[in-house]
Amino acid sequence: QKEVEQDPGPLSVPEGAIVSLNCTYSNSAFQYFMWYRQYSRKGPELLMYTYSSGNKEDGRFTAQVDKSSKYISLFIRDSQPSDSATYLCAINSGYALNFGKGTSLLVTP
Amino acid sequence: DTEVTQTPKHLVMGMTNKKSLKCEQHMGHRAMYWYKQKAKKPPELMFVYSYEKLSINESVPSRFSPECPNSSLLNLHLHALQPEDSALYLCASSQVEDRGDGYTFGSGTRLTVV
Repeated sequence: QKEVEQDPGPLSVPEGAIVSLNCTYSNSAFQYFMWYRQYSRKGPELLMYTYSSGNKEDGRFTAQVDKSSKYISLFIRDSQPSDSATYLCAINSGYALNFGKGTSLLVTP
Repeated sequence: DTEVTQTPKHLVMGMTNKKSLKCEQHMGHRAMYWYKQKAKKPPELMFVYSYEKLSINESVPSRFSPECPNSSLLNLHLHALQPEDSALYLCASSQVEDRGDGYTFGSGTRLTVV
């Protein structure tokens, strides 16, 4: 079983919609959880990180971690066409990042 | 300066060539990484440097040779590559090796092996 599972999509939503992106992971020892956004032909950009369980909010973005079910989520409110990108969840395995496959998001005007 | 700078942005090389990818950061980060990313796939770890010493080599073929001349610079030397090595090569840095809150990626070098 892969350490981090993420549905690759693609996910297409209309502008203004709430987007929910999710990952599951296998190792309960993981402590640091991140979401990266990657535009085509660019490097990943850190959007949010969370240590242990709980919620973290930054503008239109909310990251949630539920360690009891090994489930992490990213919510995007009032989605914009500029949010169209691939979203990668990542977990620090102790010395580097384990990435999910990435979910391709398209926000249509 | 909050960036990781990678050069060149694009590189085309023949299978007999020798080339180098360069990465630079001035954030005082003590861990630096090379990742490889194929199209529509997530980044895959290649090497980790911690305090300028190689700490992790993810069983990468010897045709890829990393070097960390100082705490701000990371190189990846390439020799006798194969067409399947064509990918986006990403450099990243973080304050220390075992945290998750400060990984900064460069824009990558898009490598094509012909």
